Amino acid sequence: ETGVTQSPTHLIKTRGQQVTLRCSSQSGHNTVSWYQQALGQGPQFIFQYYREEENGRGNFPPRFSGLQFPNYSSELNVNALELDDSALYLCASSLAGSAYGYTFGSGTRLTVV
Amino acid sequence: DQQVKQNSPSLSVQEGRISILNCDYTNSMFDYFLWYKKYPAEGPTFLISISSIKDKNEDGRFTVFLNKSAKHLSLHIVPSQPGDSAVYFCAASVGNQFYFGTGTSLTVIP
Repeated sequence: ETGVTQSPTHLIKTRGQQVTLRCSSQSGHNTVSWYQQALGQGPQFIFQYYREEENGRGNFPPRFSGLQFPNYSSELNVNALELDDSALYLCASSLAGSAYGYTFGSGTRLTVV
Repeated sequence: DQQVKQNSPSLSVQEGRISILNCDYTNSMFDYFLWYKKYPAEGPTFLISISSIKDKNEDGRFTVFLNKSAKHLSLHIVPSQPGDSAVYFCAASVGNQFYFGTGTSLTVIP
């Protein structure tokens, strides 16, 4: 059983650029959620995808967008990057209705300069 | 607005003793509570959970207690081991959204 894998592990971008982060869900999981974890903070919910549709969104602006593909892998896109977007971005997959929470990936560390 | 709070950023405990990690929440609609453990350079891993209809759940050395009237959650680790040293996040869910605390860094001293 494979876990959740995220790519890339580290990324440096310039303010105003766009970035795409990728996530492969754990086998058998059909739901993927993205979180932003700033330094010294807990993960903050960005959005969740279920069956390729957005299924809930946190308090993030529209320049944060996502996709889920038929194989349940997912992308997080961020446009017009700002310095405050620098954070660890975590992808978590789960089986809808599961009582055991998420399986998290190791995250992508994004630095905006 | 931080709906889940962990007011102790760090905790040090002697090996073999009990570790108690605390968490407070504000939203009475939360129906499920979880604890995650995170090692450096890894994603959080699920540790233990409790439904809002229960007040205690035990799994080996780990026990989670829920006090709904106080909106308080705690994780007890007995006995603590050096391998337990990590950052512990509590999380609460309503619907499909999970809200995380800021984490408590536990150090178990051999």
